[in-house]
Amino acid sequence: GQQVMQIPQYQHVQEGEDFTTYCNSSTTLSNIQWYKQRPGGHPVFLIQLVKSGEVKKQKRLTFQFGEAKKNSSLHITATQTTDVGTYFCAKGGNYQLIWGAGTKLIIKP
Amino acid sequence: DTGVSQDPRHKITKRGQNVTFRCDPISEHNRLYWYRQTLGQGPEFLTYFQNEAQLEKSRLLSDRFSAERPKGSFSTLEIQRTEQGDSAMYLCASSTIAGGLYNEQFFGPGTRLTVL
Repeated sequence: GQQVMQIPQYQHVQEGEDFTTYCNSSTTLSNIQWYKQRPGGHPVFLIQLVKSGEVKKQKRLTFQFGEAKKNSSLHITATQTTDVGTYFCAKGGNYQLIWGAGTKLIIKP
Repeated sequence: DTGVSQDPRHKITKRGQNVTFRCDPISEHNRLYWYRQTLGQGPEFLTYFQNEAQLEKSRLLSDRFSAERPKGSFSTLEIQRTEQGDSAMYLCASSTIAGGLYNEQFFGPGTRLTVL
């Protein structure tokens, strides 16, 4: 099908530890977008990847697109409390985005 | 405020009633999307407009759901004969045409629907 599988569902980290979420598809992706949704908020666009093997960085966030364009990852270095939220990947469908279920980043108290 | 706005922010209704939600996209955005999101899930696509034309509608969407964008600006989403399973957050997003099919989508704050 057209599903996008995202793992893990949750990740608990101590502040300062790293966080990674993975997005996988059974079919080749033309593009992948990443969004962040804060608790009680709405999704906010982070980045779009389109090229095989592409790596993009935004401060402590690193986004990768697999060589085969079937997977992508988001890595956050040295997490901060402001990173808390759910991170979604989404792939382009016919006219719309097909979303993964998200990975919730939880900072341990 | 030049972002996407949605009204109302919350709606509580009884099963069987009709509800209508409104979305005002960013003014220069031609594309408008409706999504539904339940707890712990990603947004689920409902329908897509380019200007006033409804170009795609999810096959999962029952006939009780209808959406319009009569002048290519604001849009409404109506749910007739609501059911408890319709309880969810309804999100609207907009984007530009320039640059390709999958541009960044800007989301509104959503309308949270509770069907009793």
